[in-house]
Amino acid sequence: DIVMTQTPLSSPVTLGQPASISCRSSQSLVHSDGNTYLSWLQQRPGRPPRLLIYKISNLFSGVPDRFSGSGAGTDFTLKISRVEAEDVGVYYCMQATLFPYTFGQGTKLEIK
Amino acid sequence: EVQLVESGGGLVQPGGSLRLSCAASGFIFSTYWLHWVRQVPGKGLLWVARISSDGSSTTYADSVKGRFTISRDNAKNTLYLQMNGLRAEDTAVYYCARWSGYYGTMDVWGQGTTVTVSS
Repeated sequence: DIVMTQTPLSSPVTLGQPASISCRSSQSLVHSDGNTYLSWLQQRPGRPPRLLIYKISNLFSGVPDRFSGSGAGTDFTLKISRVEAEDVGVYYCMQATLFPYTFGQGTKLEIK
Repeated sequence: EVQLVESGGGLVQPGGSLRLSCAASGFIFSTYWLHWVRQVPGKGLLWVARISSDGSSTTYADSVKGRFTISRDNAKNTLYLQMNGLRAEDTAVYYCARWSGYYGTMDVWGQGTTVTVSS
């Protein structure tokens, strides 16, 4: 199975400041069709996961543009340009290139 | 509004069975692959199973293979997860999720239903 490793596991951030989460996969996520099926999910407290970004860097509908994704191969990053109170929660990277689909351990974003 | 609503969770003894349901609305159910993903309280996400749009193809995580069965009724817009031989380690919140071929990921998630396996 592909192991997804996120860092940090906890990220205290000041409101209005940027935040960055790293996700590393144990093998390349480039699919034979040329796509890289790496997505980012947000889970607010007591809520189900919500899709933020798909295929590394594409913003899902309704997601604020302060969120952005980047990376390639085995190294990926989620960035929030200016953290707002509603961004508190746990962020997961997920790979859907190879079965079984796997998730990172999650990074808890909290306000300082 | 596109929506997935799970039900059927509860408390069950080890070795027991439970059937989860996921009712869909707001989209053409029969054209989407669907998944079950679980989450141990306070822990991360674990993919459980998936089913093709017509129900002819299924795939399972090794941890549930032979014990869980995913199925669907496209006439009723409902996804199911039959869970047999339940173990304490199956205790989790179970989410159904829609797979989008366009986005290459799960784009819609239900609110989850809680399964507790305990004597």
